[in-house]
Amino acid sequence: GAGVSQSPSNKVTEKGKDVELRCDPISGHTALYWYRQSLGQGLEFLIYFQGNSAPDKSGLPSDRFSAERTGGSVSTLTIQRTQQEDSAVYLCASSLYSGGKNIQYFGAGTRLSVL
Amino acid sequence: EDQVTQSPEALRLQEGESSSLNCSYTVSGLRGLFWYRQDPGKGPEFLFTLYSAGEEKEKERLKATLTKKESFLHITAPKPEDSATYLCAVQAWGGGSNYKLTFGKGTLLTVNP
Repeated sequence: GAGVSQSPSNKVTEKGKDVELRCDPISGHTALYWYRQSLGQGLEFLIYFQGNSAPDKSGLPSDRFSAERTGGSVSTLTIQRTQQEDSAVYLCASSLYSGGKNIQYFGAGTRLSVL
Repeated sequence: EDQVTQSPEALRLQEGESSSLNCSYTVSGLRGLFWYRQDPGKGPEFLFTLYSAGEEKEKERLKATLTKKESFLHITAPKPEDSATYLCAVQAWGGGSNYKLTFGKGTLLTVNP
């Protein structure tokens, strides 16, 4: 009955370093999403997984961003050569399409600070 | 391109003072409109989803309504614990991204005792 779990909750890194953010979705949810929430901005879609495949990567801001999902469960968002503009809260959501409805449930997010 | 505009950006109410938050949207074909509540340091918490114009949903002091161009979140006799940022999002039909949510920037609601 656990919700979406994200780790770490906070990450401070130096400019140019690589970071990995983890998302553990609600058990049984086949769809998984990554969003980014920057100060003063709305949530911005990054990538969507259905099972282990990513039919929509349209929101990834640059080729420094990548994500994978394994076993239809855990997902990792990787940011290479981090820049200060990558500082934001990264939110993960999961959903189960059922009866024509697709409600996304969010984790608490990872707050990334790039110094 | 799908767009969501929320107003006001911030709203301060006295406890018991009812009001409404607005969400205007432009979308090619509405699959669903979603309201979330977000507390500081936490992820968005699902409140309601509306699918067609005229639909209404209620939960405690909150009531969400939907027209073809906008949605309202009515707050009746709010309490301090209703203080949060309220987010509106749309999900559109068609294309390869008919599952993603497009969010507004939110309304920060503060309810004073």
